[in-house]
Amino acid sequence: ETGVTQTPRHLVMGMTNKKSLKCEQHLGHNAMYWYKQSAKKPLELMFVYNFKEQTENNSVPSRFSPECPNSSHLFLHLHTLQPEDSALYLCASSQDGPGQGSYEQYFGPGTRLTVT
Amino acid sequence: GQNIDQPTEMTATEGAIVQINCTYQTSGFNGLFWYQQHAGEAPTFLSYNVLDGLEEKGRFSSFLSRSKGYSYLLLKELQMKDSASYLCAVRDSNYQLIWGAGTKLIIKP
Repeated sequence: ETGVTQTPRHLVMGMTNKKSLKCEQHLGHNAMYWYKQSAKKPLELMFVYNFKEQTENNSVPSRFSPECPNSSHLFLHLHTLQPEDSALYLCASSQDGPGQGSYEQYFGPGTRLTVT
Repeated sequence: GQNIDQPTEMTATEGAIVQINCTYQTSGFNGLFWYQQHAGEAPTFLSYNVLDGLEEKGRFSSFLSRSKGYSYLLLKELQMKDSASYLCAVRDSNYQLIWGAGTKLIIKP
């Protein structure tokens, strides 16, 4: 496997279900991100982990719970979601460091989530 | 608040040139990124500008004017495979990326 992988690619769940999204990066990066992408809206940053520590939580509802067991893996645990949570969930990673290097983010293919 | 503006949709002809503009108002500036996203796929990195001027990379070029809060992505010799959404993002003073909603580019034969 290369780059950033995400599973599952598609997920349909009811509002009372519990599910988890998985992300794995094979790039040796030290930062990982969860984004939500809704149609015609900017990417919304949900969570950031640097060296496995959460450094950003952009007022995300508690029904989304991230977990980062090591620098290569990131999970997003979902429970009692709402229909408006239906979106594409993207995972990304980057090699952060000092200075103004590009440190571009590499994205996984995303999980298309539908909440019924 | 922080804001990134780019056109929602543009149409161009195969073989032509198209310029996608991006204007931004952010809390600080630590670089501007352009990403390409094909439908149903992950965004992929295209270019990075942190100093004023033009960065050229093959058929794609990106320009930045920090004083005007303005950037553009220039695509030359358009090909059908260039049909995609183009996302502009600015890294703010906290080194977080602020994203535009993306410009959907439609290429016609």
